[in-house]
Amino acid sequence: KQEVTQIPAALSVPEGENLVLNCSFTDSAIYNLQWFRQDPGKGLTSLLLIQSSQREQTSGRLNASLDKSSGRSTLYIAASQPGDSATYLCAAGGDNAGNMLTFGGGTRLMVKP
Amino acid sequence: EAGVAQSPRYKIIEKRQSVAFWCNPISGHATLYWYQQILGQGPKLLIQFQNNGVVDDSQLPKDRFSAERLKGVDSTLKIQPAKLEDSAVYLCASSFSGGYNEQFFGPGTRLTVL
Repeated sequence: KQEVTQIPAALSVPEGENLVLNCSFTDSAIYNLQWFRQDPGKGLTSLLLIQSSQREQTSGRLNASLDKSSGRSTLYIAASQPGDSATYLCAAGGDNAGNMLTFGGGTRLMVKP
Repeated sequence: EAGVAQSPRYKIIEKRQSVAFWCNPISGHATLYWYQQILGQGPKLLIQFQNNGVVDDSQLPKDRFSAERLKGVDSTLKIQPAKLEDSAVYLCASSFSGGYNEQFFGPGTRLTVL
């Protein structure tokens, strides 16, 4: 059974810092890895999707990497802004036709002005 | 392109009552998912539909939860009777063809059971 862990559970940084959020998974037989953002009281917004054959994906100030062999993914946020404050969730997509997503518990990020 | 729609956004009921949630996926998306997100945790898949059929419902508490997707479009999730531990946000998501496609989420329904 896949288990996904995110560390740290909460993070507070001053504006402008570069930061790294970590995600680890126990079963390396994944098809993809998705990073989501969740604002309080809202649904999930997809940020980046990395297929298992890829090593990384970039979108603006966000860069996500994937190392299947070690069961790890990282989300790098450059030059953080107060608007980046949210909960960030990673989810491992199962290696089957259903692509069942197993989510981590999330990292709650606060960027202080 | 319209996103995934869910209603109601909030619901408060007493334990042992029943409740139903509705989801309308993105047009053309064959696969629909229902997730339960308890406060402070990541979402947990309850059930996955591919068109009208159920792909995975292994984590659905079938003694009290039921879901259907008639005509392969809209879906409803029902809880009967509700327990205190069912208090959570219920998220609906859809993807183009299931398989290995990106999932898009609705805003969720926040359920409080008193």
